Amino acid sequence: SAVISQKPSRDICQRGTSLTIQCQVDSQVTMMFWYRQQPGQSLTLIATANQGSEATYESGFVIDKFPISRPNLTFSTLTVSNMSPEDSSIYLCSVGEGNTEAFFGQGTRLTVV
Amino acid sequence: GIQVEQSPPDLILQEGANSTLRCNFSDSVNNLQWFHQNPWGQLINLFYIPSGTKQNGRLSATTVATERYSLLYISSSQTTDSGVYFCAVDTYSGAGSYQLTFGKGTKLSVIP
Repeated sequence: SAVISQKPSRDICQRGTSLTIQCQVDSQVTMMFWYRQQPGQSLTLIATANQGSEATYESGFVIDKFPISRPNLTFSTLTVSNMSPEDSSIYLCSVGEGNTEAFFGQGTRLTVV
Repeated sequence: GIQVEQSPPDLILQEGANSTLRCNFSDSVNNLQWFHQNPWGQLINLFYIPSGTKQNGRLSATTVATERYSLLYISSSQTTDSGVYFCAVDTYSGAGSYQLTFGKGTKLSVIP
């Protein structure tokens, strides 16, 4: 299993600002995943982050809005840029190499006012 | 893409009751997981169960891959079981990568 430390756990931000979310894994992993969960909804994959390459974004998500860094095999950040109230969601990072059990960080509950 | 449907969407139980949650998926999958999301938003792994039956305390799960469904059984429910239960399936998305697709979840409320 993997233990993922995600922070911050929650934040309230002003519209137009940016927030960077960090995830630290207790072991080296090739791929890390970032999800968004809008209020009352299921999880939607934002992007897949591989170390040493550009993140791969899913349809509807763009790098300018959600830049991702992956400087090494145990760490990744997701930035939510130029926030609006519609960005209020829970953001979660995850690890789990293909076809194996996935594990999630504690989640970041973001409220944009 | 693959469709994952969970039922029922909402469930209210009296403490001590039993329940069955269902997850149907539209295509072959490499694996299937059940998660419990607590009120703070954290996803707790319950079962990694591509096929067969597993049990963990009051919870058990069965996946019948050939018929494309999985069931999560909760026995003697407790108020701490409240939250949202998600089923997620892992499928190959090409170029050596896999992707988890989540159902919409079952919101369970256990009342004393």
